[in-house]
Amino acid sequence: NAGVTQTPKFRVLKTGQSMTLLCAQDMNHEYMYWYRQDPGMGLRLIHYSVGEGTTAKGEVPDGYNVSRLKKQNFLLGLESAAPSQTSVYFCASSYSMTSGSYEQYFGPGTRLTVT
Amino acid sequence: AQKVTQAQTEISVVEKEDVTLDCVYETRDTTYYLFWYKQPPSGELVFLIRRNSFDEQNEISGRYSWNFQKSTSSFNFTITASQVVDSAVYFCALSEAGDGNKLVFGAGTILRVKS
Repeated sequence: NAGVTQTPKFRVLKTGQSMTLLCAQDMNHEYMYWYRQDPGMGLRLIHYSVGEGTTAKGEVPDGYNVSRLKKQNFLLGLESAAPSQTSVYFCASSYSMTSGSYEQYFGPGTRLTVT
Repeated sequence: AQKVTQAQTEISVVEKEDVTLDCVYETRDTTYYLFWYKQPPSGELVFLIRRNSFDEQNEISGRYSWNFQKSTSSFNFTITASQVVDSAVYFCALSEAGDGNKLVFGAGTILRVKS
């Protein structure tokens, strides 16, 4: 099992450019998440999905869009990149539990720099 | 609103010393879950432990132990006889039941273990 994979691992964008980050998981998890990690701030949730075809906003959704067309994939899009979106992006997935909370499994991260 | 506070930004110890990482949380729910993750210098996030709010028993796993106290809203992590390989950033996180497993992270504590 590859677990959670992210593509690409590194990317440099110019302000105003767009890009899509791809996350894939092979654990048949229902839930998937996108976080960003900035120095001194821990990880903050951008968007998440509790199933194929569903998405919801997290704590810092502005400037990002997501799609979950297939259960195993969760895409994060930046339509017009800004320097404030320079960060390390982590994708995660977990089993679903209606009345509890399972641990999340994380991908290796994508380091994005916007100049 | 949920909140996790890790007041210790950085801790330095000498190998074989014991070290405790503090975590204080805030939540209005009676059912919630607490987690610890480790992020070594390589950057990936490694799950360490999950604890639900109804289980206040302390847990020990090898050199690692966790102390959960609802009365003080704390979930502290102790490493006994620290080793250089323990050097990492450690994150405490909180999830409320039935909320899509969303995690709220603390800012993290950088642990440096010197030989």
